[in-house]
Amino acid sequence: GENVEQHPSTLSVQEGDSAVIKCTYSDSASNYFPWYKQELGKRPQLIIDIRSNVGEKKDQRIAVTLNKTAKHFSLHITETQPEDSAVYFCAASLNQAGTALIFGKGTTLSVSS
Amino acid sequence: GAVVSQHPSRVICKSGTSVKIECRSLDFQATTMFWYRQFPKQSLMLMATSNEGSKATYEQGVEKDKFLINHASLTLSTLTVTSAHPEDSSFYICSARDLGTPKEFFGPGTRLTVL
Repeated sequence: GENVEQHPSTLSVQEGDSAVIKCTYSDSASNYFPWYKQELGKRPQLIIDIRSNVGEKKDQRIAVTLNKTAKHFSLHITETQPEDSAVYFCAASLNQAGTALIFGKGTTLSVSS
Repeated sequence: GAVVSQHPSRVICKSGTSVKIECRSLDFQATTMFWYRQFPKQSLMLMATSNEGSKATYEQGVEKDKFLINHASLTLSTLTVTSAHPEDSSFYICSARDLGTPKEFFGPGTRLTVL
C-alpha cells in the first residue's frame, strides 16, 4: 500500500522567510496530493492540492510542486506570517471512489515575529 | 460550500458505556466518508471507510465490533464506540468526499474522554 514520508517534523522560521515542507510517496499509481493545515484542536483545512497531470500549482503565498519521476512533492510558503504557524500534513491517494488519503506524519511550523 | 459537521464536539463518558458520534455533509452528498483517530501531536490514523448503503471497510487493527459505523444516507455517517475504555480516549475526526472530486473535507472533530 501507499506510504507517505514527510520532512521535517518541525520547522521554525522568522516572519517573512520562506518555508518548505517535503513529502515522498511510494505508490506510483497515486495521482492526487493535497496539503492540509491543522491548528491546535481544530479540523484539518485543505489549503492546496495538486493532481499528477500538473507539475506546479500556486495560490497566493502557497505553492505545491510535484515530481512524479522522483515521487515527491513539496509545499512552499513564502513571506510567512505568525498565523501560518500550525501543523501541516501532506497526503496522497489514488483518485478513485472509496480510496482514502494516506497522510504524512505532519510538520509543525512555527513562525516567529 | 463543502461543509462537514460533527456532533458532539466533546464527550465525557464512563468506562463501559457506548458513545455515538455523528458526521454530516451539510451542502453536498457524500457517497464516501472516512473516520480517523488522532492522538496528541500525531497524524491522522484512518480507522475505516464508510460507503453509503454498504458495510464499512475497516483498517487493519481496528475492531469492527467495537467501532460500529453506519452510513445510512448520502449526508450522514455515524461512529459508535461500544463499551468504551480509557484507552479509547482520543480525538475522532470524520471526513467526507463530494461525488466526482477527490477533495476531502473534515468535520471539526470529537474529543472523547473515557473515565
